[in-house]
Order: sequence, then structure tokens, then C-alpha cells
Amino acid sequence: IVMTQSPDSLAVSLGERATINCKSSQSVLHSSNNKNYLAWYQQKPGQPPKLLIYWAFTRESGVPDRFSGSGSGTDFTLTISSLQAEDVAVYYCQQYYSSRTFGQGTKLEIK
Amino acid sequence: EVQLLESGGGLVQPGGSLRLSCAASGFTFSTYAMSWVRQAPGKGLEWVSGTSGSGDSTYHADPVKGRFTISRDNSKNTVNLQMNGLRAEDTAVYYCAKLSSGINSPFDHWGQGTLVTVSS
Repeated sequence: IVMTQSPDSLAVSLGERATINCKSSQSVLHSSNNKNYLAWYQQKPGQPPKLLIYWAFTRESGVPDRFSGSGSGTDFTLTISSLQAEDVAVYYCQQYYSSRTFGQGTKLEIK
Repeated sequence: EVQLLESGGGLVQPGGSLRLSCAASGFTFSTYAMSWVRQAPGKGLEWVSGTSGSGDSTYHADPVKGRFTISRDNSKNTVNLQMNGLRAEDTAVYYCAKLSSGINSPFDHWGQGTLVTVSS
């Protein structure tokens, strides 16, 4: 399964909304449990990735509620409702429906 | 607190071998699937290999099949990656990652990574 993110980079003003899209080459929705096998990670420079969202919209414990995930099937979105300075990072989507593949990453910067 | 500590990285010549280890603590190790994920310099994330909690099932990405072998020792809380026939394109930071539950689940904890450089 190929994961394609858009855009590759994004500059947003502090306090504004940031939206990152992720499209899979085939559906990652499992019919047996109606769950989308899709996660979002945040990676800051020099650090390992950090899990933000899983099952497409479930926020990991401790992740601020300004981060939200949406979508189903093949099209997904990560939204940061009000950008903070500490959100500058590269964001990756990942499917774990069949093996596991990551999107190419979206670099988020402050405008 | 979950901790994952990788070791074994370094400089190796093309065609050479290296064995990475990941020491885990802070959770019931044998209950969780584990994986290795790599990141080439300045590039994105690539899943490499995975193993079930028992170690009975293992999985490898196509680029490393036949060259890399993942294994785990649940008595020592370690997961290893034996890398043979190394190529320049295997140069990357290798992360040990814990899955949140079974083999089809996200990576909820990551180590700091160990750098593997394949060069003559």
C-alpha cells in the first residue's frame, strides 16, 4: 500500500489551522471491525517519531486536543486547530493494514 | 516508563554484517510485537522488520528480505536485527519500536535510534 501525503511542506501562522492530507493506494478500513488502520506521527529534529493519532482519529494519551484526525477508507486528514511554536515538525501518516508503510512526510513550519 | 535502548550501530563496509540490539524495559515484553524502522539521512521513515510477541512470527520488508533477520529473546527483553550483505542504501538510523498491541497495531514507543553507515 502506497501512502501519499500532501503538501510536502506547509507554513502556517501561529494560532492558525494546519491541515495535512494522506491518501492510501487502497482502503485501510477493515470490514471485520470497521477500523481504519491509519496512524499519524510527529517527528521533531534529532528525535524519534512520536505517535499522535491511531485508528485514524483516536488521540494518543497526552497528545493535546488541538491535534485531530479524520477520514476513512483511503483519504485521511490530520488537523492542528491552533498552531503552536512547539508543533514545528515533520508529520507522517502510516498504514498498518497490510504490512506497514509511511507517507513521505510533511514539513510544518511557522509562517 | 517504557524504555527502548538500541545498540550495535557503526561503520561497516559494503557486503559486511552488523547485529543491532534493543533492550526493552518498563512493560511486559513478551506481550507486545516489536519492529525495526529505519530512516536514511534526511529522508522519511521505512519499516524494516517485525516480530510477534512470542517471536514465532517474523516479517521483513522486501528490500531486506533474505539479508536481514529479526529475532527476540523474551528472557532478556531484547529484540535483535542481524544484518548481512549490507549495501550503501542500508545507511540509516535504525529505530527499535514497540507496537501498541498485536502485529497490526501502531508504534506507540520508539528508541532514540542507532546509526548504521555502510561505506568503504
